[in-house]
Amino acid sequence: DTGVSQDPRHKITKRGQNVTFRCDPISEHNRLYWYRQTLGQGPEFLTYFQNEAQLEKSRLLSDRFSAERPKGSFSTLEIQRTEQGDSAMYLCASSSPGSLKETQYFGPGTRLLVL
Amino acid sequence: GQQVMQIPQYQHVQEGEDFTTYCNSSTTLSNIQWYKQRPGGHPVFLIQLVKSGEVKKQKRLTFQFGEAKKNSSLHITATQTTDVGTYFCAGRGNFNKFYFGSGTKLNVKP
Repeated sequence: DTGVSQDPRHKITKRGQNVTFRCDPISEHNRLYWYRQTLGQGPEFLTYFQNEAQLEKSRLLSDRFSAERPKGSFSTLEIQRTEQGDSAMYLCASSSPGSLKETQYFGPGTRLLVL
Repeated sequence: GQQVMQIPQYQHVQEGEDFTTYCNSSTTLSNIQWYKQRPGGHPVFLIQLVKSGEVKKQKRLTFQFGEAKKNSSLHITATQTTDVGTYFCAGRGNFNKFYFGSGTKLNVKP
């Protein structure tokens, strides 16, 4: 399967702990997006990369969140000192830009529960 | 900031009835995309609209992009139980950011 993969699929952690999620995009895609989705809401943009460069980051993202894409392939999203409000589904999507015709392919997500 | 509003939040229909969800943006969009998310699943791309006034059809689904490129709609004719899920619009704004609506959850009674 050459779709977008995310690991882990589920994560339960205690408040104050750090967590890291991984996203492996479709291999030829150079754009990678991170979103957060809570129950009953649409995906909320967090950040995006073009190759290894982080080009945009949501102002809603606190300093506890950091994302990397060191070699322009897989990406990691780290949340430090987790809070209960961080509980959500974290979705990764990748795309191959072609002018305005950009289709995002989403991974299955990582569901985070902070106790 | 840029917002994309979507209504209704929920829609319950009898199988065979039609369904429509509407999206409105506070600003002009370069394009708009539609996604479907099944319960427990992730968003799956349906279609992208780019041109002002564009209309596209996929079998029983009809997508429209408004003349001002600030609104869009998805219409499903003669719903089936396989149409169940949440439908999201996503408007593309500045800097390749996509703004998702809150979604319309469709339930189809057999």
